[in-house]
Amino acid sequence: KAGVTQTPRYLIKTRGQQVTLSCSPISGHRSVSWYQQTPGQGLQFLFEYFSETQRNKGNFPGRFSGRQFSNSRSEMNVSTLELGDSALYLCASSADKNYGYTFGSGTRLTVV
Amino acid sequence: AQSVTQLGSHVSVSEGALVLLRCNYSSSVPPYLFWYVQYPNQGLQLLLKYTSAATLVKGINGFEAEFKKSETSFHLTKPSAHMSDAAEYFCAVSAYSGNTPLVFGKGTRLSVIA
Repeated sequence: KAGVTQTPRYLIKTRGQQVTLSCSPISGHRSVSWYQQTPGQGLQFLFEYFSETQRNKGNFPGRFSGRQFSNSRSEMNVSTLELGDSALYLCASSADKNYGYTFGSGTRLTVV
Repeated sequence: AQSVTQLGSHVSVSEGALVLLRCNYSSSVPPYLFWYVQYPNQGLQLLLKYTSAATLVKGINGFEAEFKKSETSFHLTKPSAHMSDAAEYFCAVSAYSGNTPLVFGKGTRLSVIA
């Protein structure tokens, strides 16, 4: 059974640019969540999508957005990148929270 | 709202010694509780989860955790540490009911000394 796939693994962008990250969940999982991980703030929840609808949203500025497609694949977009957006972005999929969440390997974003 | 506190950002043990990583939760409703492990440059791997069944939960790699409602704790233990256990460990909580997201603690880095 394939795991959660995040692409790309590494990304370097310049301040002011925008970036799109992709997440393919485990087959059959309809929930996809995104987290930002930094040394200072730890793991912070960005948003969750379920059946193409945003179900939960964390406390991040509107520059951070996401969407989910009918095949449950999800993308997150960050516009007008800032140096502070440098982080590991993790995606997790779940069939039901009772079964836990499976995480991908993450996308390491560096903003220069 | 749920929250998790992990006591000790860094724990160091000798190989073969007991591993004890502490986690206390705060939740207004019965919670689901999870422990995840993260190795360098990797994502999070689920070690074990408490979902209101048995209070003593056994996970992978010899880890286990006990849910203690009276102490609002969910500490992670392993009888004998192995060098390969060196990693970052995260405790996480989610409400049992409703569609609330997973909330993580700050993490505890475990070092194993030979």
